[in-house]
Amino acid sequence: ELKVEQNPLFLSMQEGKNYTIYCNYSTTSDRLYWYRQDPGKSLESLFVLLSNGAVKQEGRLMASLDTKARLSTLHITAAVHDLSATYFCADRGGADGLTFGKGTHLIIQP
Amino acid sequence: NAGVTQTPKFQVLKTGQSMTLQCAQDMNHNSMYWYRQDPGMGLRLIYYSASEGTTDKGEVPNGYNVSRLNKREFSLRLESAAPSQTSVYFCASSGLLRGNTEAFFGQGTRLTVV
Repeated sequence: ELKVEQNPLFLSMQEGKNYTIYCNYSTTSDRLYWYRQDPGKSLESLFVLLSNGAVKQEGRLMASLDTKARLSTLHITAAVHDLSATYFCADRGGADGLTFGKGTHLIIQP
Repeated sequence: NAGVTQTPKFQVLKTGQSMTLQCAQDMNHNSMYWYRQDPGMGLRLIYYSASEGTTDKGEVPNGYNVSRLNKREFSLRLESAAPSQTSVYFCASSGLLRGNTEAFFGQGTRLTVV
């Protein structure tokens, strides 16, 4: 059974702080996806990680992939309120679409 | 840039009623998907279609049927709605089933079954 586990599932942090969201997956996939979802909205693609050691950065967010450890991380640097959202990682290890984690609900307080 | 368009956006059904959720994409993608999202559960795959004319079950297919009408359109049908099907439904599409492109999502359909 494919599993994608994120932690933490809920995170409340202050503006200006750094933090990391972890995503463990169970397949031998070499690709991993990160999405953002705002309340009541759809999912927006953030990063596509296609190989071991891949690192991508967009503003205050940086994602990385370690296929040997089956681990991806989403690092937030100097958080700002606008980054408050739910973040999902998803694995494409199976034959049938993406398998999502349960999401990390991130609240960034002033 | 329409991308993936779902209709309707909201729907309330009575138990036992039927309905079809419509989805269309204009990105010339081969693969299309239906997911449901429930609080604390992430997104779970209901059905997918790797190409026109093919459909396959995902993780939670019971109570649903799908039709890949053509390359653009992929519909989801609830034949006899149940309260357990109250959820937010997302349609998505991607270039290749196992390709390197991410999936693009529609705006979602919020369905309540009473």
